Amino acid sequence: DIVMTQSPLSLPVTPGEPASISCRSSQSLLHSNGYNYLDWYLQKPGQSPQLLIYLGSNRASGVPDRFSGSGSGTDFTLKISRVEAEDVGVYYCSGKLTFGGGTKVEIK
Amino acid sequence: QVQLQESGPGLVKPSQTLSLTCTVSGGSISSGSYYWSWIRQPAGKGLEWIGRIYTSGSTNYNPSLKSRVTISVDTSKNQFSLKLSSVTAADTAVYYCARVYSYGSVDYWGQGTLVTVSS
Repeated sequence: DIVMTQSPLSLPVTPGEPASISCRSSQSLLHSNGYNYLDWYLQKPGQSPQLLIYLGSNRASGVPDRFSGSGSGTDFTLKISRVEAEDVGVYYCSGKLTFGGGTKVEIK
Repeated sequence: QVQLQESGPGLVKPSQTLSLTCTVSGGSISSGSYYWSWIRQPAGKGLEWIGRIYTSGSTNYNPSLKSRVTISVDTSKNQFSLKLSSVTAADTAVYYCARVYSYGSVDYWGQGTLVTVSS
């Protein structure tokens, strides 16, 4: 079974500063079609999760361009160029029908 | 705008079967190359895939739950359903239904429904 490992578990951030979350999978998520089947989601407090990034690096509709995804194979990164207060919540990566454990982003 | 709404009992007794239905509105459940999925989240914990179904009826289940899970679809009602048998307190969670692209991305989520397993 695939295991998705995120780090850090908790990430205190300062508004206006950058932030980065890592996701590592125990199996390659690189499909034969050249796409990485890796997504990023944000679950804001009290809400359902929302899709941020799909296929490794594509922003979902309506997602601000301060969010970006990168990586390939087994190592992936979500970056927020300048954190805003509305970005707080738990971030999850997901691949092959398995979610990572989540990274809680909170304002310092 | 596609919307998904979970419905079903909020309380289930141990050893019984949990049954939930997801009603899809704003689009046909049969249109497009989508899977329809169930995902759950115990209180204060992370997300767990339960399984997914294509409108053809083909399914994929989480191996850890496979022996207890059945997901079905009723295209005439624009609904899909979850049955989880032999539940225990460990199955207490918020259950989400969701629309999933073929490559696994979830673009629409229901609001979630809390199911508590308790006698």
